[in-house]
Formats: sequence, structure tokens, C-alpha cells
Amino acid sequence: GAGVSQTPSNKVTEKGKYVELRCDPISGHTALYWYRQSLGQGPEFLIYFQGTGAADDSGLPNDRFFAVRPEGSVSTLKIQRTERGDSAVYLCASSLMRGEQFFGPGTRLTVL
Amino acid sequence: GQQVMQIPQYQHVQEGEDFTTYCNSSTTLSNIQWYKQRPGGHPVFLIQLVKSGEVKKQKRLTFQFGEAKKNSSLHITATQTTDVGTYFCAPLGGAQKLVFGQGTRLTINP
Repeated sequence: GAGVSQTPSNKVTEKGKYVELRCDPISGHTALYWYRQSLGQGPEFLIYFQGTGAADDSGLPNDRFFAVRPEGSVSTLKIQRTERGDSAVYLCASSLMRGEQFFGPGTRLTVL
Repeated sequence: GQQVMQIPQYQHVQEGEDFTTYCNSSTTLSNIQWYKQRPGGHPVFLIQLVKSGEVKKQKRLTFQFGEAKKNSSLHITATQTTDVGTYFCAPLGGAQKLVFGQGTRLTINP
């Protein structure tokens, strides 16, 4: 079956703009995660959804970042008033239980 | 929280040589996962270790979890060019989040 998909694959925006990043998890996976990866670093946890609710949002850097998963499937990561420091690859992953996480190809965000 | 340190940060080998990366934690881990990320790609799950002293093999890859569950290692025998990439260890925390180390980047001279 299809893996995790993310759109767009690349997003270039200007400082101060609003962006939305979309994640479509593997069908049937109840758990969904967002990570952020900067060049040369490991992925950094942002938020974890179990079903529709955010079970852990402790990794969100500040209140400019927000994520939703209204129907327990597709999730959107929203970033307000983007800053140059937000530039990174944003990875989405999904899983069934406490095991293997399946990562999507990521969205490369560039804030000019 | 659970943080891990990986060494070395970089490793360059000749094709056919062995490679080992180490993952160390100051706290006891309930489990640890290993992922591989090819250049320009996304992390791909390799294995999960749960038991103290556990050893698992996947063809040329051998994974170990320390007796005290504070360290882990990945050993690749006779590297091939397809092994190129960054290898990450990541304990799975109580809130289901993976806490990635900084990774070991492996490059191979064919």
C-alpha cells in the first residue's frame, strides 16, 4: 500500500508569512508524529497525535506552531509569522503502536 | 528526558571494511530503535531492541543492546556502497516520541 505522503515537497516563503504543511499517513495508523530536521542533525520531535487529539505537543518551539488532525487521518502543521530559523525539513511519521515509525519524504521549508 | 550521544559523528571506510557506531545514554532506556537515512532521503526503520543484552542480526548488520540498557551499537560487516547514509539511534519515550541522536554519517570509498 501507499506510504506516508507529504505536501508540498518544497515550500519557499518570505519571513512573516503563514504556511501550512500537510501529512497523509498510512491508512489505519492511529499515531501520527511531526519532526523537524535541520541540516546535519537528527530529527527533532514536535508533536504526536493519537487519533484526533494531540497526546504530546511538548516539542512545538513556540505558539507560532500549531498542528491539527481533525478526522484522525490527515494532519496539517501550521506555522504563523515564519522566521528564517524555521527553515528545515519537516518530517511526518505514522505508526500503529509502540513500534516502527514510517516516515514520509518530508517538506523542505525555506524562509527567506 | 532521554538523550543519546552517538559516536563517531562521521566515519569513512573502504568498501569491504567493517563499520561500527555506538549510542550511549546516561539513563536506562526501555527500548531503542535504529534508523537509516540515505542522502536526500527520509529515516527508514531498521530494528527495535527491547531486552537487556539483546543481539539481533539482519544479514550483514548486527545490533546490540547493552546489559544495563544504557548503550547500543550497530555493526556492519564488509560494507557495501549501498550502506552509505546516516545511522540514527532513537529511544522511544513514554509519550511515543523518538528522541534521535545526532547520527553517524557513513561514507564509503568504492
